[in-house]
Order: sequence, then structure tokens, then C-alpha cells
Amino acid sequence: KQEVTQIPAALSVPEGENLVLNCSFTDSAIYNLQWFRQDPGKGLTSLLLIQSSQREQTSGRLNASLDKSSGRSTLYIAASQPGDSATYLCAFTSGSARQLTFGSGTQLTVLP
Amino acid sequence: ETGVTQTPRHLVMGMTNKKSLKCEQHLGHNAMYWYKQSAKKPLELMFVYSLEERVENNSVPSRFSPECPNSSHLFLHLHTLQPEDSALYLCASSQASYNEQFFGPGTRLTVL
Repeated sequence: KQEVTQIPAALSVPEGENLVLNCSFTDSAIYNLQWFRQDPGKGLTSLLLIQSSQREQTSGRLNASLDKSSGRSTLYIAASQPGDSATYLCAFTSGSARQLTFGSGTQLTVLP
Repeated sequence: ETGVTQTPRHLVMGMTNKKSLKCEQHLGHNAMYWYKQSAKKPLELMFVYSLEERVENNSVPSRFSPECPNSSHLFLHLHTLQPEDSALYLCASSQASYNEQFFGPGTRLTVL
């Protein structure tokens, strides 16, 4: 069974800190990996998509990396703000299945 | 605001009721998805429609019945649900099965 693990499950940091969220997956033959943000009771907002041929993607203060050989991805958030408080989910599409497999998420709180 | 809309946003129903959830995407995509998000569990894929072909998760009970009349609309018909079916139901779409997925705001379902 394909699995995604996100560590830590919850993280609280003061405003302005740089932080890293971790995601590990069991399938090295992934097609792509996607990072999402979810605010309480809301849908998911796509943040970054990394294709299997890419090592990283950047959008504003966010940078996501992908290391297929070790089955890991990281989401780096620079200069965190209280508005970044949300649950961050990573999910991958394997080469054999047309579906996203999700982790349980990291709940981030940025304190003002 | 995303190009994927869902109605209703909140639904309370009894175990003997029949109701339907609606999803509409305005992005010109060819694949649509239903996901279930329960408390403390990762998102779970329920159904995929790609170019009008249905791919389903075999663990989804038959009391959930999807319908995809065209590439822009997706329904989830509900009947004789159980209290454990209470969850956030999310719809998503993508250009093709392996592409980046975009999510709607979800329907919060409570089964009494």
C-alpha cells in the first residue's frame, strides 16, 4: 500500500522564522508531487506541483524540493507570517495509478 | 476564488434521506474527482471520472453513487447514509488524470 508520512503533525513558530515541512512517500516511481494548503473547514489550495523530472519549484516565499531516490519532499517557507497558519498537505501521483495519495498533513501555527 | 464550485456548502440529513452533492468546474478540465475527508484521517479518493470513464475506489459503499453527465459537472448521490459518513466531501478537477488538481471548497455533511 502506498503511503505518505508528514512530520511533524503540528508545528508552532514565531512570526518571521524560516521553517521546513517534511513529507516522505513509499513509491519511488512517482509521476508528480503536489503541496496544498487547507484552512479550517475549507477546501484545498494548490501551492506547488513538482514533476518527477524536477528537483524543486518556487513560488514567492515557498520552495518545494523533491528527492525521488530517498522518497522525500520538503516545503520551505521563508519569513513566516500569521497568515501562513493552516494545515499543509503533500500528495503524490504514482506512475501506475491515476490518483493522489495524501498525507495527514502538518498543522502550522505562526504566532504574531 | 477557485474555478471549482460545490453546492451545498453544508448539509444535514437523516439516515433515511436521499440527497445529492453537486460540483461544477469552470476550468475546461477533463477529469473530476470526489474525495472524502474525515477527522484525523488523510483525504480518501472515492471516484475519478476521466474523459467520461469512471474509476472508483472499491472500498466505497454503494450508498454513494456518482454521476458525471459532462466534463464540467459531477454529482454524488447519497442514500441511506450512516453517521460515520459525516465528513467534508471535496470535489477536484484536473486537465488530465496525472495533472495538477484543483479543489472546490467542499460540502460539510452531517448524518444524524
